[in-house]
Amino acid sequence: QKEVEQNSGPLSVPEGAIASLNCTYSDRGSQSFFWYRQYSGKSPELIMFIYSNGDKEDGRFTAQLNKASQYVSLLIRDSQPSDSATYLCAVNTGGFKTIFGAGTRLFVKA
Amino acid sequence: GAVVSQHPSWVICKSGTSVKIECRSLDFQATTMFWYRQFPKQSLMLMATSNEGSKATYEQGVEKDKFLINHASLTLSTLTVTSAHPEDSSFYICSARSPTSTDTQYFGPGTRLTVL
Repeated sequence: QKEVEQNSGPLSVPEGAIASLNCTYSDRGSQSFFWYRQYSGKSPELIMFIYSNGDKEDGRFTAQLNKASQYVSLLIRDSQPSDSATYLCAVNTGGFKTIFGAGTRLFVKA
Repeated sequence: GAVVSQHPSWVICKSGTSVKIECRSLDFQATTMFWYRQFPKQSLMLMATSNEGSKATYEQGVEKDKFLINHASLTLSTLTVTSAHPEDSSFYICSARSPTSTDTQYFGPGTRLTVL
């Protein structure tokens, strides 16, 4: 059974701090990794994708991938209350299907 | 990114009726679309993979006769919930694979179904 594991949270950080969200996956053959943000009552929205080991930065967001350790993380710098949402990690093993984690709830306190 | 729409955004129906939900890729052709269901405060649950011109592939435990999926064109997939019951009340979300990156999914805005 291919799995994607995330801490359900909630993760609470003060405004302006760095939020660190983590995700582990079980399939070593996984090739593509995604982070989605989902606000309450809304559908998921793609934030970033990463394919190679290392860091990938986009604005306040940095995705980090370590295939040897089978984890992928998302850092949010200068966290804002508007970043409060559930963050979904998703992994594609090269096949037809993408496996989603259950999500981590992030709460940014003003 | 690619834009996916859904219609309707919400629907209320009586128990026993059927409801059709449409999913459209607006600015690209999607040979593959996915249908998810999400209950409050729970994770996404993949229901089925919809392939243009062929039968949908359903996940284990999803009744294909209850959740009818049709992907008749490269921009439209439909999900019909037949003989809906209150336990079918949920948030239904479709997604489509990106035309430029075939393992990236873009989600529609979702349809909230309430069965009375």
